[in-house]
Amino acid sequence: GQSLEQPSEVTAVEGAIVQINCTYQTSGFYGLSWYQQHDGGAPTFLSYNGLDGLEETGRFSSFLSRSDSYGYLLLQELQMKDSASYFCAVRDEGTPLVFGKGTRLSVIA
Amino acid sequence: DAGVIQSPRHEVTEMGQEVTLRCKPISGHDYLFWYRQTMMRGLELLIYFNNNVPIDDSGMPEDRFSAKMPNASFSNLKIQPSEPRDSAVYFCASSLVITGSGYGYTFGSGTRLTVV
Repeated sequence: GQSLEQPSEVTAVEGAIVQINCTYQTSGFYGLSWYQQHDGGAPTFLSYNGLDGLEETGRFSSFLSRSDSYGYLLLQELQMKDSASYFCAVRDEGTPLVFGKGTRLSVIA
Repeated sequence: DAGVIQSPRHEVTEMGQEVTLRCKPISGHDYLFWYRQTMMRGLELLIYFNNNVPIDDSGMPEDRFSAKMPNASFSNLKIQPSEPRDSAVYFCASSLVITGSGYGYTFGSGTRLTVV
């Protein structure tokens, strides 16, 4: 089976940078994904890392280190609309995504 | 494409009643997933289909839960009889591939189920 650990809550100031960490345990490993979910909304896909390193998409970046079973999501130039829950997710061979419990990000002025 | 469409958005029902949740995946997506979200347990996978065939239903909590995908455009999840502990948000998601790469999984807006 798989297990994931991420902080339950993070607070950051508008305009700042925040990093949300995720550690995982899987018997096999086939990629780390990140999803964003606003209150009352659906999870939406942010990024996928299949290999070690940094993937950048606009203000968001995601990093993976397979040797450390660790990844993070980096949000830059924080905006109030970034206040949401962020989920990391992994999968084993042939299995769908398993999601972490999520990190609730609050962006304050 | 209009995305993954779920209905109803909200459902309030009495304990013991049958509940049916519906999902229309994105056309061309080979995979369809049913997830349930609660504060305590987070997002849990209930069952998933590949090309309309159920592949793994080990996440379905009890025999009271069943899901079908009669064709590529439709899936439903039934709970019979419903119980208060079934109260949760139920999401349907679809994807081209199971890996989560590319465009990832596309989730519907969810059905918020309340069993009283």
